[in-house]
Amino acid sequence: GESVGLHLPTLSVQEGDNSIINCAYSNSASDYFIWYKQESGKGPQFIIDIRSNMDKRQGQRVTVLLNKTVKHLSLQIAATQPGDSAVYFCAENDGGSNYKLTFGKGTLLTVNP
Amino acid sequence: GAVVSQHPSRVICKSGTSVKIECRSLDFQATTMFWYRQFPKQSLMLMATSNEGSKATYEQGVEKDKFLINHASLTLSTLTVTSAHPEDSSFYICSARDEGGPKADTQYFGPGTRLTVL
Repeated sequence: GESVGLHLPTLSVQEGDNSIINCAYSNSASDYFIWYKQESGKGPQFIIDIRSNMDKRQGQRVTVLLNKTVKHLSLQIAATQPGDSAVYFCAENDGGSNYKLTFGKGTLLTVNP
Repeated sequence: GAVVSQHPSRVICKSGTSVKIECRSLDFQATTMFWYRQFPKQSLMLMATSNEGSKATYEQGVEKDKFLINHASLTLSTLTVTSAHPEDSSFYICSARDEGGPKADTQYFGPGTRLTVL
């Protein structure tokens, strides 16, 4: 789940382990989802996306899973590396003509060497 | 491809002054750009949608007279924080859609501008 207020959910893993970051979205009309990685002091970086007509999509070391029934999105990172340490945000697009994104609260991933 | 730049990367100003932040799409044209604000340990909050050649669309609660947006060309949008106050100190991030690219729905983000108002 996601916290309210100033405290980011955190996930701490050992280098080489797999990481799973979860996100709950609220708008059942959302049809496009994106995972972004944000390192400290930088802008968000696109990782992977998925459309609502799919339930799984794989990239290089990353997999996104979409469960529309429970409005849940997850990001799996295989063989997590120290360079993966960052805040990860999910974002949803409701398919409107304005292409606006709504961001989740983010999860801080820390990879321990 | 789909690179977005921002300038300046950080700015410190006195209370009451105005600050202009530029957002450029470097290798694509963007009729739509977005401006976000991010406070420490929080998520990105959309402030406004910048539309080339027309007025920006502001989100609820964002003062349009305080945060002036100009999208004068297909590669440049500017955000001016007028009469800045310490509570405006934040990380301002822009994004743009590469409408002609393979991922037209995706927003690509700039590196952000850290504004500190003394």
